Amino acid sequence: RKEVEQDPGPFNVPEGATVAFNCTYSNSASQSFFWYRQDCRKEPKLLMSVYSSGNEDGRFTAQLNRASQYISLLIRDSKLSDSATYLCAVNSASWGKLQFGAGTQVVVTP
Amino acid sequence: DAGVTQSPTHLIKTRGQQVTLRCSPKSGHDTVSWYQQALGQGPQFIFQYYEEEERQRGNFPDRFSGHQYPNYSSELNVNALLLGDSALYLCASSEPGVTEAFFGQGTRLTVV
Repeated sequence: RKEVEQDPGPFNVPEGATVAFNCTYSNSASQSFFWYRQDCRKEPKLLMSVYSSGNEDGRFTAQLNRASQYISLLIRDSKLSDSATYLCAVNSASWGKLQFGAGTQVVVTP
Repeated sequence: DAGVTQSPTHLIKTRGQQVTLRCSPKSGHDTVSWYQQALGQGPQFIFQYYEEEERQRGNFPDRFSGHQYPNYSSELNVNALLLGDSALYLCASSEPGVTEAFFGQGTRLTVV
């Protein structure tokens, strides 16, 4: 079983709609969680850190469910520019490696 | 404020050759990690450097080695290149004691 798993998608979303997807992790000792956005053939860009209480940044909301060992990302009022691959990353210490999922592709259509 | 910068951006090498990739971290960052990203996959951790020492290593062979300089910049060296080493190589830097990592634009290595 992979340490971090994501539904590869693609999630085809009409412009203005809401889309949500999850990322599951296997290491119960994981401490830090992140969502990155990656455009085709570009570097991952940090979208948001995920806190225990959940957090929101504009149209983006991230949640952490420790009991079921997953994090989620919800995008409201989707824009064409939200089309990208969303990578989740997990860390089991305050330093050290980030374990990435393979990414979820989101395609926002007009 | 410059972010993480990597050089070169693209590279083509022949099987069996050696390659050196370079990374300058974001200002104020002292920790540098290297990742390999194959097409359709998430980044895979190669190793992390802190205080000029390799602090943690992923599941990569000894052909992959690195270095960190006193100014926190870093190099990734790969010897005896294989076709399977073709990938996007990403450098990420982070602040002292902080897990959030910021990536450079990557070096796309093609081995022929």
